[in-house]
Amino acid sequence: NAGVMQNPRHLVRRRGQEARLRCSPMKGHSHVYWYRQLPEEGLKFMVYLQKENIIDESGMPKERFSAEFPKEGPSILRIQQVVRGDSAAYFCASSPLLAGRNTGELFFGEGSRLTVL
Amino acid sequence: DAKTTQPTSMDCAEGRAANLPCNHSTISGNEYVYWYRQIHSQGPQYIIHGLKNNETNEMASLIITEDRKSSTLILPHATLRDTAVYYCLSNTGNQFYFGTGTSLTVIP
Repeated sequence: NAGVMQNPRHLVRRRGQEARLRCSPMKGHSHVYWYRQLPEEGLKFMVYLQKENIIDESGMPKERFSAEFPKEGPSILRIQQVVRGDSAAYFCASSPLLAGRNTGELFFGEGSRLTVL
Repeated sequence: DAKTTQPTSMDCAEGRAANLPCNHSTISGNEYVYWYRQIHSQGPQYIIHGLKNNETNEMASLIITEDRKSSTLILPHATLRDTAVYYCLSNTGNQFYFGTGTSLTVIP
């Protein structure tokens, strides 16, 4: 059973460009979380999605950031018009449901490291 | 925001037990306590979680005080590969707040 797959692992963008980060959850997992980690800091929650639904996006910046988890295909975190402050590691995690409840056991990918020049 | 507080850093001798404390005096009665660790810049790894009772698995033991205001993660025989940042967290609704964790260094 493959783990959570994130790509690209490393992405370099110039200011003003768009960044798209992809996350394929573990097989059978219907929940996806995105976290951002700035250098030397802890992980900050961004968004929580189920298939075709955004459940909680309270950690997402109001502008330029969006996330989706379509019925088919990976979850995508999209950052438009990137700025240097967006340089960070972006981690995706997936989680199964057990008896209708999120178990809280998150399986993380290895992250996508965005560098904005 | 995180409901847990942890020491910033700790050292532990190789082969000894590493005891990592966490205060969570404000979590509610139905909130679980989770522990994760992050080795270098890899993705965080789930370790263990519990509600009221002590828990043990192949990686660690979790001791939760009776009043649930604090807990301790125990790595029974620390190895150099256990050097990592250890996060104690609870969840509020759908969010899992990681805080800044405890940086554990296992010393040879």
